[in-house]
Amino acid sequence: DQQVKQNSPSLSVQEGRISILNCDYTNSMFDYFLWYKKYPAEGPTFLISISSIKDKNEDGRFTVFLNKSAKHLSLHIVPSQPGDSAVYFCAAIRETSGSRLTFGEGTQLTVNP
Amino acid sequence: DAMVIQNPRYQVTQFGKPVTLSCSQTLNHNVMYWYQQKSSQAPKLLFHYYDKDFNNEADTPDNFQSRRPNTSFCFLDIRSPGLGDAAMYLCATSRDRPGQETQYFGPGTRLLVL
Repeated sequence: DQQVKQNSPSLSVQEGRISILNCDYTNSMFDYFLWYKKYPAEGPTFLISISSIKDKNEDGRFTVFLNKSAKHLSLHIVPSQPGDSAVYFCAAIRETSGSRLTFGEGTQLTVNP
Repeated sequence: DAMVIQNPRYQVTQFGKPVTLSCSQTLNHNVMYWYQQKSSQAPKLLFHYYDKDFNNEADTPDNFQSRRPNTSFCFLDIRSPGLGDAAMYLCATSRDRPGQETQYFGPGTRLLVL
């Protein structure tokens, strides 16, 4: 039962344009969401997070949007840069229960110069 | 200044031959995790240690064991590796239990079972 899903295994955008990575979840008990970025031969690194009490969180070029009613979140990268090319994992957790972090399958983003 | 170190980066073992993967951290974090990630799949939590308390995921096979002799080190033991255990194994740490605590990942050990 995949509770966090990233339906697009890959995304290709031009440098300078917007990248939008999507994530859907099924467990309505999740109340904290994170995005991790992973370069080849490295472990995932934390990128940005959002609590369920918010619908938007912004950090520089990265913005995460949360739509609780649709159980959907998205990561926007503006403007996209070639160095953003990586695999992006969406993850979710139910904070209060100290439960495990549940990851999506990842989306490979390629930003073309 | 590596924070979460995994050795070796690549490990080859034979079917049924016990293998140990190691992880160390310089962050002095209380929690250490082991994830298994197969190709194009989400990382899957196997177990975690909160200090000395071991927390096994319900669907982690008995073939997988872990040891944490001190704060800095954590080991993943696969007692009898099968072909299906070939995967990337990621170690992670966090200061406290999952929640708003960021998890810091090591580079992973890719296990090949022959």
